[in-house]
Amino acid sequence: QKEVEQDPGPLSVPEGAIVSLNCTYSNSAFQYFMWYRQYSRKGPELLMYTYSSGNKEDGRFTAQVDKSSKYISLFIRDSQPSDSATYLCAMSAGQGAQKLVFGQGTRLTINP
Amino acid sequence: DTEVTQTPKHLVMGMTNKKSLKCEQHMGHRAMYWYKQKAKKPPELMFVYSYEKLSINESVPSRFSPECPNSSLLNLHLHALQPEDSALYLCASSHGRVADTQYFGPGTRLTVL
Repeated sequence: QKEVEQDPGPLSVPEGAIVSLNCTYSNSAFQYFMWYRQYSRKGPELLMYTYSSGNKEDGRFTAQVDKSSKYISLFIRDSQPSDSATYLCAMSAGQGAQKLVFGQGTRLTINP
Repeated sequence: DTEVTQTPKHLVMGMTNKKSLKCEQHMGHRAMYWYKQKAKKPPELMFVYSYEKLSINESVPSRFSPECPNSSLLNLHLHALQPEDSALYLCASSHGRVADTQYFGPGTRLTVL
């Protein structure tokens, strides 16, 4: 079993839809949770960062962490064609220079 | 400014060549990372430097040799690579102490012939 599981998709939705992306994990030591967006042939771009359980909102993006269920989510409201990309969840156990453990990435397409 | 720069953008090399990838950040970060990413896969960690010292080596073959000349620069020296080493090589940096989110550069797309 992988430490972090993420449905690779692909996921295709119409413009304006609410998108839900999810990851589950097995290592209870993980405390720091990130979502990255990666466009084709580009480097990953940090979208959201959350420490421990809770919600965090930034514009159209909301990240949720449920440590009791070992489950994290990213919601995208009013999705746009420019949101079409691969979304990677990542997590780490501690502070300082740490190894990030990534999910497999979900390929998302928003259709105009 | 959360920019990490990498040069070159693209690199084609033969199996007997020696080349270097370069990474630079001016965010005052003290941790820098090299990752390798194959198509449709997540990034795989190769090396971590913390305060200019190598702190993690993920059992990478010796044909990859990292170097951290100072806190802003990170190099990856390449020698005698194999075609299967063709990939996107990503550099990242982070604060190195608290709230350690990693910021990635655009990557160098490497092709080994």
